[in-house]
Parts: sequence; C-alpha cells; structure tokens
Amino acid sequence: DVKVTQSSRYLVKRTGEKVFLECVQDMDHENMFWYRQDPGLGLRLIYFSYDVKMKEKGDIPEGYSVSREKKERFSLILESASTNQTSMYLCASTPGPGRGEQYFGPGTRLTVT
Amino acid sequence: QKEVEQDPGPLSVPEGAIVSLNCTYSNSAFQYFMWYRQYSRKGPELLMYTYSSGNKEDGRFTAQVDKSSKYISLFIRDSQPSDSATYLCAMSEIGSTLTFGKGTMLLVSP
Repeated sequence: DVKVTQSSRYLVKRTGEKVFLECVQDMDHENMFWYRQDPGLGLRLIYFSYDVKMKEKGDIPEGYSVSREKKERFSLILESASTNQTSMYLCASTPGPGRGEQYFGPGTRLTVT
Repeated sequence: QKEVEQDPGPLSVPEGAIVSLNCTYSNSAFQYFMWYRQYSRKGPELLMYTYSSGNKEDGRFTAQVDKSSKYISLFIRDSQPSDSATYLCAMSEIGSTLTFGKGTMLLVSP
C-alpha cells in the first residue's frame, strides 16, 4: 500500500510565525503535491514537484514556498503565517509520467491565531 | 462555467440502497478520471481510477465514464452506514494536474 505521511495532524501557530509542514511518501513516487482544502472552495493546488529540487506553482502559491531536497520528502513553508492561511493542508503523490492517480496523506489542520 | 461540476448534497439514503454520484465536466481533453472518498477530518482516499471511457467495477463500487456526454458516475451497491462520507470526483489531461469537484456528502442511515 502507498503510504503518505504528514508531520502533524493539528498545528496552532501565531500570526507572523514561519511554519513548516512536511510530507513523506514511501513508494518512490516521482510527483508530489500540496493542496489546501476549505469549505465551499474545495481542493486548491498550492505547489507541486516533478523531481528533486524542482517545483512548479499551482493555482494559489502566494504566501507559500516549497522544498524538495529528497525524492521522498516535500515540504511546504509558510514564510509569515496569516489568519487567512488557516486551513486543512493535504499532501499527495503520484507514481510518475502517464499515471494520473494521486494518493493523499491524512492532512494537517493548521490554525493561525 | 466551472470545469467540473458536482452536486454538494447532502444525499441521504437508507442502508442497502443503490447510490448514484455524478460529475459533469467541460474539458474534452480529460483522460484520467478518479473518485475519492473523504471521511470527516481525514485525507481523501482513492476509490476508483479509470483511464478514458468505460466502466470499472471493484466490489460494491462501479465507476462509469461517458466522454461523449462529459459525465462520470460512481455507483455504490448495498450502501452501508460506513459509506457515509464526502465523495470527490477528479480528472485530468495526460501529464497535467488534477481538477477536483467540490464533493458530494453522502449520508447512509441504518
């Protein structure tokens, strides 16, 4: 079974803090993704990566950055957390070219106060 | 027009009913079609994955893709209370990122 893990299930941070969310997959997948999910807005793609040290902007990259130093690990960074970044953050991975299915982690519920 | 449309529900059915969940889309280039199940406060779980048109069956679940009508369906037979969740459809062009529907909430009562 594919396993995607995220570093925290619940996180509470203060406005202005730098926040790191980590994601690890154990199936040697090429592609990794970060989404946020909000009621009424659905899943929105923040950033994705097709390979180590590569990153691509998704639909809502503002206020976020990412890092992929190893194939199995993809980190999402909130440089200066704001209250409008309170959300459920979901990481996903997919095997690679020609494969469309994505496998999700359990999610991190981030609250910024 | 939104790229993927999905009725938000909730859809309430009694245990044992056949459930039909649907999505319509506008992009004729979509080739991959997926259904995810998401329980409250959990990540989406991949249920069904199909490439191009046709049907796919897995236990109580059947996925159908009708590319001529730009319409996909997920059928759940003999529904159980444990099927109560939000169901998300997702689709993509080859080599592209996924486009998700906003999900349909399903409630199966004992």
